[in-house]
Amino acid sequence: DTGVSQDPRHKITKRGQNVTFRCDPISEHNRLYWYRQTLGQGPEFLTYFQNEAQLEKSRLLSDRFSAERPKGSFSTLEIQRTEQGDSAMYLCASREGLAGYNEQFFGPGTRLTVL
Amino acid sequence: GQSLEQPSEVTAVEGAIVQINCTYQTSGFYGLSWYQQHDGGAPTFLSYNALDGLEETGRFSSFLSRSDSYGYLLLQELQMKDSASYFCAVSTGGFKTIFGAGTRLFVKA
Repeated sequence: DTGVSQDPRHKITKRGQNVTFRCDPISEHNRLYWYRQTLGQGPEFLTYFQNEAQLEKSRLLSDRFSAERPKGSFSTLEIQRTEQGDSAMYLCASREGLAGYNEQFFGPGTRLTVL
Repeated sequence: GQSLEQPSEVTAVEGAIVQINCTYQTSGFYGLSWYQQHDGGAPTFLSYNALDGLEETGRFSSFLSRSDSYGYLLLQELQMKDSASYFCAVSTGGFKTIFGAGTRLFVKA
């Protein structure tokens, strides 16, 4: 257990439905990342928060994806009008803001299945 | 485009030494990280190199050559529990971290 939690751990939904995932990072970590991982691939960067500010968002991310970190603590990732291609593991990671220090602590992930 | 290349699979025997290479082509570079991921688990951090040279942490070492856009992870005294996927990851000039596709390591008895 890294101290990063994600909820739910599994989500099965029908195509076209909206889903929302939650990530609770390690409390003193001001930096938070969302990734998507499919079988046999590495994590694919989705977005990055520093405190409550979303400073980077992948150009691969369609407008159906949105993320928030309203008080600089927990974060949510919402996918609207889900498609079968959205089926993947969604990972959240957090880290401290120290310069030159780059260890990201990953949560257990939310596995999304779109039927 | 941005890309990281690493071998898809490596097989070695218990007690041996294995090296997993990573070459990268990215628009910016702050440093190279390595992560381990067991099946069904989350990635866990192994090492980070921002400067050229070798970093050693127990049985694991990581090397970086910025001029060659190349790094490697060296695993010594392999154990069965080291069977996992290993990812190299580049921290780019922005806030993005780009991961390679991963190298699956099989350790045989």
